[in-house]
Amino acid sequence: EPEVTQTPSHQVTQMGQEVILRCVPISNHLYFYWYRQILGQKVEFLVSFYNNEISEKSEIFDDQFSVERPDGSNFTLKIRSTKLEDSAMYFCASSESPGDYTGELFFGEGSRLTVL
Amino acid sequence: KQEVTQIPAALSVPEGENLVLNCSFTDSAIYNLQWFRQDPGKGLTSLLLIQSSQREQTSGRLNASLDKSSGRSTLYIAASQPGDSATYLCAVPQGGKLIFGQGTELSVKP
Repeated sequence: EPEVTQTPSHQVTQMGQEVILRCVPISNHLYFYWYRQILGQKVEFLVSFYNNEISEKSEIFDDQFSVERPDGSNFTLKIRSTKLEDSAMYFCASSESPGDYTGELFFGEGSRLTVL
Repeated sequence: KQEVTQIPAALSVPEGENLVLNCSFTDSAIYNLQWFRQDPGKGLTSLLLIQSSQREQTSGRLNASLDKSSGRSTLYIAASQPGDSATYLCAVPQGGKLIFGQGTELSVKP
């Protein structure tokens, strides 16, 4: 069964360093998302991406965050200068149609980011 | 602003029991509602997606219902098994993003 894959599964970094989290969405999906979950808190939306541009972003997604689809398969989240509060599990998701209409979102296993 | 609440926060049941997890949302103008399962430290597995035109959706021992007018959804798990132990999340879309509840942590004791 097709699945969303994420790498790395766990990354430890020093505060101020740049981090890139990678995702391979399901191949025929057109809509891509990043969500995050701080330990013990709700899953929260970061950004959605369609047709090679950001569709929507939350207030969390400030200038230190960026997303890119560098080729036909990968979807990346870059955090330019990590902060302690960026420590969280980051989930990539994809859907065939828009999630706010009929689209079912499929999530990856997550990348756990630990900022020291 | 859409708010999603799940009750109870945690539930412990003996194996074989039927159980109901609750999800409520404040804005009933939704297109669908999705239930997920999350194992500790793992990703979100989609269990069921109910469209706003549907009232129920079934998958194996799972049955989800949706009542838009009252802003509620329930996830019914029949004949629970220890392997069902996980956190169950519901989520509704708003403006292109999913709004999640805080989840119900289910423990099924053998």
